Amino acid sequence: AQTVTQSQPEMSVQEAETVTLSCTYDTSESDYYLFWYKQPPSRQMILVIRQEAYKQQNATENRFSVNFQKAAKSFSLKISDSQLGDAAMYFCAYRSAQGGYALNFGKGTSLLVTP
Amino acid sequence: DSGVTQTPKHLITATGQRVTLRCSPRSGDLSVYWYQQSLDQGLQFLIQYYNGEERAKGNILERFSAQQFPDLHSELNLSSLELGDSALYFCASSPRTGGSMNTEAFFGQGTRLTVV
Repeated sequence: AQTVTQSQPEMSVQEAETVTLSCTYDTSESDYYLFWYKQPPSRQMILVIRQEAYKQQNATENRFSVNFQKAAKSFSLKISDSQLGDAAMYFCAYRSAQGGYALNFGKGTSLLVTP
Repeated sequence: DSGVTQTPKHLITATGQRVTLRCSPRSGDLSVYWYQQSLDQGLQFLIQYYNGEERAKGNILERFSAQQFPDLHSELNLSSLELGDSALYFCASSPRTGGSMNTEAFFGQGTRLTVV
């Protein structure tokens, strides 16, 4: 089974600064998808960004970008120009391209944004 | 608003009881997933249904069961409840069972279950 590891239980960043959240995963598959989800205090799971494993180009969505290192099985999330509204739990998730298509989540990183 | 509706939002019940959580997927979505989020286990996949049929099973206890009805809504049944079943239960839906990136899963707001 694939495992997803987020080694930073908590991170803190000042408003307008940049922060990087780490994620590593373990898989023997070559085709898969990776995601970052945000869970604010409202509990809603919100998709932030996604990456297809066969694409070498790193995904970018406005202030959010990833550093996808397939050989190292690493998938970090960079948040630029951090805003107070970015404060939330962030979950890294893996989804196989075959068989069942459920998401396999890491334990999450709690991001605090200070003024 | 993701378009996925879960009811109830909160549920408090006693040990040994049985509860049913309901999920209405986004219009047109055929696939429904159930997840459990607890402090000690994190977010865990329980079960997936696609167009009325069970498609994949995760870490779902035998005391738990689910089904998807012809109108595509789904119910998660939890029985013989224990204190450790207290958690946030999410439902997610997607258009099809998998493959392309167009199968992004949309999450409901969850049902907070407290077993006392």
